[in-house]
Amino acid sequence: DTGVSQNPRHKITKRGQNVTFRCDPISEHNRLYWYRQTLGQGPEFLTYFQNEAQLEKSRLLSDRFSAERPKGSFSTLEIQRTEQGDSAMYLCASSLVRDEQYFGPGTRLTVT
Amino acid sequence: GQSLEQPSEVTAVEGAIVQINCTYQTSGFYGLSWYQQHDGGAPTFLSYNALDGLEETGRFSSFLSRSDSYGYLLLQELQMKDSASYFCAVGGGSQGNLIFGKGTKLSVKP
Repeated sequence: DTGVSQNPRHKITKRGQNVTFRCDPISEHNRLYWYRQTLGQGPEFLTYFQNEAQLEKSRLLSDRFSAERPKGSFSTLEIQRTEQGDSAMYLCASSLVRDEQYFGPGTRLTVT
Repeated sequence: GQSLEQPSEVTAVEGAIVQINCTYQTSGFYGLSWYQQHDGGAPTFLSYNALDGLEETGRFSSFLSRSDSYGYLLLQELQMKDSASYFCAVGGGSQGNLIFGKGTKLSVKP
């Protein structure tokens, strides 16, 4: 039984560059979520997919952020023109129901 | 909007019992979830209460009072490995997101 996996685990990039993260959910889970977490804070919701449909996006998700879930399997989160304020842990979670979510190990982004 | 309040830090000794409280304000309340996160790790689901009362799962129990917009996580027979951050979370009034509190950092001392 494999859990949620995320790649890469760490990413260091220079301001202005684009980055893309991948999430592979638990195979039978139709719901997939992206969160962002900074030190000392709880996860902040970014976006939610049910199967391949992106059903909800947070106001935190600026135009520079885009997420996809082709074919309702893995998902990617892209950040264009990164800024130092984008430095955070990006967490992916999957679930069958909203309130019991299973998180991946996260991708730690550092923008220099 | 939605908001959750929980203490920022709690310290207890091994073998003791600790209660972590959470009060919430939200529209369209469905239930209260609890997650554990060790330093450097991912949040892990602990429990979910949709109805008033106490839910017990081993050493951990979770309580909800919908009328008081209040819940708590009770950890019994504390072990060193319970040192972690604990987050309460509520549904964001939609089918999608969870709103997390800022977390309570529990330190278990020998």
